[in-house]
Amino acid sequence: ETGVTQSPTHLIKTRGQQVTLRCSSQSGHNTVSWYQQALGQGPQFIFQYYREEENGRGNFPPRFSGLQFPNYSSELNVNALELDDSALYLCASSLRRENSPLHFGNGTRLTVT
Amino acid sequence: AQSVTQLGSHVSVSEGALVLLRCNYSSSVPPYLFWYVQYPNQGLQLLLKYTTGATLVKGINGFEAEFKKSETSFHLTKPSAHMSDAAEYFCAVSDRWGGADGLTFGKGTHLIIQP
Repeated sequence: ETGVTQSPTHLIKTRGQQVTLRCSSQSGHNTVSWYQQALGQGPQFIFQYYREEENGRGNFPPRFSGLQFPNYSSELNVNALELDDSALYLCASSLRRENSPLHFGNGTRLTVT
Repeated sequence: AQSVTQLGSHVSVSEGALVLLRCNYSSSVPPYLFWYVQYPNQGLQLLLKYTTGATLVKGINGFEAEFKKSETSFHLTKPSAHMSDAAEYFCAVSDRWGGADGLTFGKGTHLIIQP
């Protein structure tokens, strides 16, 4: 069974640029969630996708957007990067059923300068 | 709105000693509660979860947690610490399974194991 994989592992961008982070869900998982983890903090929920549609969103502005593809892989896009967007971005996949836990990837470390 | 408070950003115990990591939550409905562990440069791994039923939950690596509704607590314990337990631990809450509103995490507790 292949776990959740994220790419790239590290990324450096300049303020105002756009970035795309990618996630490959665990085999068979149909739901993907994205979290932002700032240094020294717990993860914060960005949004969740199910059947290629966003079905839940945390307190993040619209410049954070996503996609889920038919093969259940996913992208997180962030426009107009700000310094405070520097963080570890975690992708988690799961099945949409009771007691199916989240399986997290190792994350993408984004640094905005 | 849900929230999670983890008391103590750092906890230090000796190898072989009891580990106790504290978590208090607030939720307007019966919660789902989780403990995750994060090793350096890695994602989060589920240690254990409480959904319904038995309030004492056993997880991986010898950890367990007890759901106490009256105290709104879900403290994590392990009878005997091992050096490999050194990591960051996160408590999380959700008000419904499936997480369309996502998990709400605490700020984490860094567990240090002294030899």
